[in-house]
Amino acid sequence: GNSVTQMEGPVTLSEEAFLTINCTYTATGYPSLFWYVQYPGEGLQLLLKATKADDKGSNKGFEATYRKETTSFHLEKGSVQVSDSAVYFCALTNSNSGYALNFGKGTSLLVTP
Amino acid sequence: DAGITQSPRHKVTETGTPVTLRCHQTENHRYMYWYRQDPGHGLRLIHYSYGVKDTDKGEVSDGYSVSRSKTEDFLLTLESATSSQTSVYFCASEDGFSGNTIYFGEGSWLTVV
Repeated sequence: GNSVTQMEGPVTLSEEAFLTINCTYTATGYPSLFWYVQYPGEGLQLLLKATKADDKGSNKGFEATYRKETTSFHLEKGSVQVSDSAVYFCALTNSNSGYALNFGKGTSLLVTP
Repeated sequence: DAGITQSPRHKVTETGTPVTLRCHQTENHRYMYWYRQDPGHGLRLIHYSYGVKDTDKGEVSDGYSVSRSKTEDFLLTLESATSSQTSVYFCASEDGFSGNTIYFGEGSWLTVV
């Protein structure tokens, strides 16, 4: 079946620090990969996505590259801000599951001034 | 943002009572989903629909039923609510092509006492 594993949180960083949140997946075929962000008290918003191997998704300074050889989709940002404090979810969709998102458990990020 | 609204947004109900959550989307999306979010579990798929009157079970479907009589509406029913169903419920929709963005509603907070 499909599954996503992401690093446990919470992650606490100082403003302007470098961020990496690891994500690996298990899936057959050719899944699409996503990072979603959830701010406190809100729903999920798409942060970025990649639909095929070696694609790089990017948005708001965040990046992630679809690595089929390592089955990974790690999220990175060069300089985090206090406003980036949120929960980040790695997810995949696959044609064998009706395109429903399979989520990791989420990683909470706290950025301090 | 896609037009996805959920109702009610907050509800407190007693154990054993039936509860229906409604999801309404204005994007004419073919696929709709219900997820629940719980600490330590991330988001888990309850049921999904791939068209009017076409639904299927997700990872945690026990105790839940769904109906989709119109493209725009997807109802989630708890036949007899239990305390283990206290959760935040999210509806989502998309048009069904691989890699397409899945849009989420704002969530419905349900407490079963």
